[in-house]
Amino acid sequence: DSGVTQTPKHLITATGQRVTLRCSPRSGDLSVYWYQQSLDQGLQFLIQYYNGEERAKGNILERFSAQQFPDLHSELNLSSLELGDSALYFCASSGGRVRAGEEKLFFGSGTQLSVL
Amino acid sequence: SQQGEEDPQALSIQEGENATMNCSYKTSINNLQWYRQNSGRGLVHLILIRSNEREKHSGRLRVTLDTSKKSSSLLITASRAADTASYFCATGFTGFQKLVFGTGTRLLVSP
Repeated sequence: DSGVTQTPKHLITATGQRVTLRCSPRSGDLSVYWYQQSLDQGLQFLIQYYNGEERAKGNILERFSAQQFPDLHSELNLSSLELGDSALYFCASSGGRVRAGEEKLFFGSGTQLSVL
Repeated sequence: SQQGEEDPQALSIQEGENATMNCSYKTSINNLQWYRQNSGRGLVHLILIRSNEREKHSGRLRVTLDTSKKSSSLLITASRAADTASYFCATGFTGFQKLVFGTGTRLLVSP
């Protein structure tokens, strides 16, 4: 068990809908990362938050947004969903006290999103 | 793309054999990490090697890093069926605040 909790584990929805994925980082970790994993794109970095503030942005679509709350949990909001958004979405956390990319990440078990 | 590439894409071996997978990347890095992913589950960190290190060991794992060739290798010795998983390299790039994952190697270890 990595200590990172993601909910829900599975989500089935229709095109055009909006969903929210939730992540609770490991106790004491300040950084939260969101990754998208699909068969054709591999594991793609979406966005990182550190102690409530956005720190780095990757290949995140404008239809997607995220935030980290004062209790450090994070939510990833996906709107106007398309078939191609079907993927496994991972949250990861790290201490965040060193420069990002220089510490190991602890991953949650992911949310499998299916857009029908 | 900054994404690293693993080679081979898939590897099938027998228990007891060694498994070697390689990772190539394109730009200067601060460090390189290896992760394992069991089918459809979250990634688990295996080992981190810094750009000024050439080799690192952890149990049955041996990682090498050649910054001149922009490549790394992960060796799993005496493989077990439980090692069946996908293995990803991830690179921390100079000046970038993120970890970029490679395309992964699917390892199948048969009893």
